[in-house]
Amino acid sequence: DGGITQSPKYLFRKEGQNVTLSCEQNLNHDAMYWYRQDPGQGLRLIYYSQIVNDFQKGDIAEGYSVSREKKESFPLTVTSAQKNPTAFYLCATLLTRGGRNEQFFGPGTRLTVL
Amino acid sequence: SQKIEQNSEALNIQEGKTATLTCNYTNYSPAYLQWYRQDPGRGPVFLLLIRENEKEKRKERLKVTFDTTLKQSLFHITASQPADSATYLCALEKAGGFKTIFGAGTRLFVKA
Repeated sequence: DGGITQSPKYLFRKEGQNVTLSCEQNLNHDAMYWYRQDPGQGLRLIYYSQIVNDFQKGDIAEGYSVSREKKESFPLTVTSAQKNPTAFYLCATLLTRGGRNEQFFGPGTRLTVL
Repeated sequence: SQKIEQNSEALNIQEGKTATLTCNYTNYSPAYLQWYRQDPGRGPVFLLLIRENEKEKRKERLKVTFDTTLKQSLFHITASQPADSATYLCALEKAGGFKTIFGAGTRLFVKA
């Protein structure tokens, strides 16, 4: 069954703690993305990776870090430097076919800072 | 700066009617415009893509129009059903790009 899995579904963090959100895909897509979604706002791009061992900052990368050691995995670490981390985090992959791009999203992780 | 605007107010319609959602954008020249559906607490799901040189695209009960002069896309759901209730996101992308920008979405409620 192909798809994207994100874990955990819900995550609670104390202030000052780093937490890592998992994203795994078996779609064999090269590009992967992390977005943050806040109420009333569009998805905002945190980081993206076009290929293994390479990634670029998105529009709101401060306070976050990523790695891309394997094609299937793109974990996101929310560091203590992120001042307002409570949000819904979405991981996505990109399929390019026929000259067009289509993003596939995981189910999301809801992070709450206590 | 680049901006996508979708109606922030929820759209309430009666079952069987046509729902029409609007997406306007500024300071951007997209090659593609996409529509996604998002259910509460879940990730968005791709619905339709329309290219800059296409005026209209249809898929079953869905129809999308794209006016690059007005910088606007309209998304229609005909013969709407309660199961169509969700948030619909508009997204823009440039040719050959790896970055997509998303609107905040419009919440649709279809009443039986």
